[in-house]
Amino acid sequence: KQEVTQIPAALSVPEGENLVLNCSFTDSAIYNLQWFRQDPGKGLTSLLLIQSSQREQTSGRLNASLDKSSGRSTLYIAASQPGDSATYLCAVLDGTYKYIFGTGTRLKVLA
Amino acid sequence: GAVVSQHPSRVICKSGTSVKIECRSLDFQATTMFWYRQFPKQSLMLMATSNEGSKATYEQGVEKDKFLINHASLTLSTLTVTSAHPEDSSFYICSAPGLPGVNEQFFGPGTRLTVL
Repeated sequence: KQEVTQIPAALSVPEGENLVLNCSFTDSAIYNLQWFRQDPGKGLTSLLLIQSSQREQTSGRLNASLDKSSGRSTLYIAASQPGDSATYLCAVLDGTYKYIFGTGTRLKVLA
Repeated sequence: GAVVSQHPSRVICKSGTSVKIECRSLDFQATTMFWYRQFPKQSLMLMATSNEGSKATYEQGVEKDKFLINHASLTLSTLTVTSAHPEDSSFYICSAPGLPGVNEQFFGPGTRLTVL
């Protein structure tokens, strides 16, 4: 059974820091991995989608990498801003075409 | 990208009543849709897979008689929470796959259900 874990569970950093969020999954048979942002009480905002054949994706200050063989992905946020404060979720599209979500990282960027 | 809508965005109901939540794919067809539930400060958990023209498949631990799913057309799936209780209060989100072979799913904005 696929399990997705995110570390750390919560993170508080001063504005301007570069930071790394980690996601690990137990079964490497995935179609893709996606990073989402969720603001309190809101739905999901897709940040980056990495297909299983890809190693990384970049969008602005965000960079996500995927190492399928080791079951790991990282989301790198450069020059963090208070507006980046949110919960970040990773999810893998497993072999049965279902999304399995991670436990989430609650990020707070202090001004 | 493809758009998935949900209605209503927020609903408050009394205990014992039934609530219907709609999930629509606005500019594409979806023979399959997925329903997730998110309790406060927790991650999303897949509840069931909605299949157009056939019965939904439910994840382990999800009561199929309580959470009725109907995939009425290629663009609409509904989730009915029957005889809702306060413990059913949650954030419900649906998703639908996009183009075949692209392996991307599109998520609705979610429905916040509060049962008094």
